[in-house]
Amino acid sequence: AQTVTQSQPEMSVQEAETVTLSCTYDTSESDYYLFWYKQPPSRQMILVIRQEAYKQQNATENRFSVNFQKAAKSFSLKISDSQLGDAAMYFCAYRSFSGYALNFGKGTSLLVTP
Amino acid sequence: DSGVTQTPKHLITATGQRVTLRCSPRSGDLSVYWYQQSLDQGLQFLIQYYNGEERAKGNILERFSAQQFPDLHSELNLSSLELGDSALYFCASSGGQGANSGNTIYFGEGSWLTVV
Repeated sequence: AQTVTQSQPEMSVQEAETVTLSCTYDTSESDYYLFWYKQPPSRQMILVIRQEAYKQQNATENRFSVNFQKAAKSFSLKISDSQLGDAAMYFCAYRSFSGYALNFGKGTSLLVTP
Repeated sequence: DSGVTQTPKHLITATGQRVTLRCSPRSGDLSVYWYQQSLDQGLQFLIQYYNGEERAKGNILERFSAQQFPDLHSELNLSSLELGDSALYFCASSGGQGANSGNTIYFGEGSWLTVV
């Protein structure tokens, strides 16, 4: 089974600054999907960004962007101009191209300070 | 709003009891997934259904069962409940129409289960 590792249990960033959350994964597949989900205190799971492994271009969604390094099996999330509302647990997730369930990392808790 | 609807939002029940959690997937989505999130654990995949058929099984206990009905809604049945079953249970769906929608899994708001 594919494993997803988030090595940073907690991160902190000042408002308006930039922070990068790390994620690595282990797979023998060549085609797959990667995701970042945000879970605020309400505990709702919100999709932040997705990346298809066959695409070389890094995905971007407004202030959120990824650095996808396929050979290194690395998928980091960069949050620019951090806002107080970005404070949440962030989960990295892997999904096989064959369309089965997501495998999640253990999450990184992001604190945003004024 | 993800379009995935879960009921009930909160549930308190006693040990040994049985409960049913209900999920309505996004319109057009054929796949339904169930996940469990305990306080001290991450998201654990329980089971997946696709168009009424079981497709994949994760760490689902024998005391738990699920099904997906012809109208594509799904139910997760939890029986002989123990204190350790207290958790947030998510339903998610995928497989609808539109670009990329089949590859992304969308989550409901979850059902909070407290076993006392």
